[in-house]
Amino acid sequence: QSALTQPASVSGSPGQSITISCSGTSSDIDAYNYVSWYQQHPGTAPKLMIYGVSNRPSGVSNRFSGSKSGNTASLTISGLQAEDEADYYCSSYSTSSALVFGGGTNLTVL
Amino acid sequence: QLQLQESGPGLLKPSETLSLNCTVSGGSIITSTYNWGWIRQPPGKGLEWIGSILYSGSTYYNPSLKGRVTISLDTSKNQFSLRLTSVIAADTAVYYCASHIAAVDSFDYWGQGTLVTVSS
Repeated sequence: QSALTQPASVSGSPGQSITISCSGTSSDIDAYNYVSWYQQHPGTAPKLMIYGVSNRPSGVSNRFSGSKSGNTASLTISGLQAEDEADYYCSSYSTSSALVFGGGTNLTVL
Repeated sequence: QLQLQESGPGLLKPSETLSLNCTVSGGSIITSTYNWGWIRQPPGKGLEWIGSILYSGSTYYNPSLKGRVTISLDTSKNQFSLRLTSVIAADTAVYYCASHIAAVDSFDYWGQGTLVTVSS
């Protein structure tokens, strides 16, 4: 069982916006601004998409945005494209476990 | 731009010790900007952080693996290593090494990953 809870799957049509949630506790997401999001295509290593809750690394499309409210973080992808179809993982610093990941969300672009 | 590459045996028997190296190119592992981390992913499952090491040699590990895991630096080879003792089938996974941005607790550069299978 993962420390952070994500929906197993989400889907959307090209051009639409989707949001993936990542639920934690007062010991991780709620306590620290150290939430990251990763994108993973099949057979490849994860790619950092968001760090520090809402910051994008250089080269990541501004269609990707992150936010946090209380113990829940969110990743929003606007203007969905076929290439966005992938697994997405959140992570956070945790006082109990140092660093924890969510279970992952499979995004399908219809 | 950093590049990381994992290396090590791909097949182990239960109770053996897993040893992997991660060679870093494009920068020195002796830097306060990065810690260096290991993450694993069982087939068809999610990511699990194993542990990280600072440039000073200080380490911190996932409590669920503490006691079996050791991460170390080899500055002469610009490498860091993972050692996991007493492996079982549940340790079968793709093992990734990554640069760990200490300030924001994120992994920005990743190796391609190496599959380690534990089977008798």
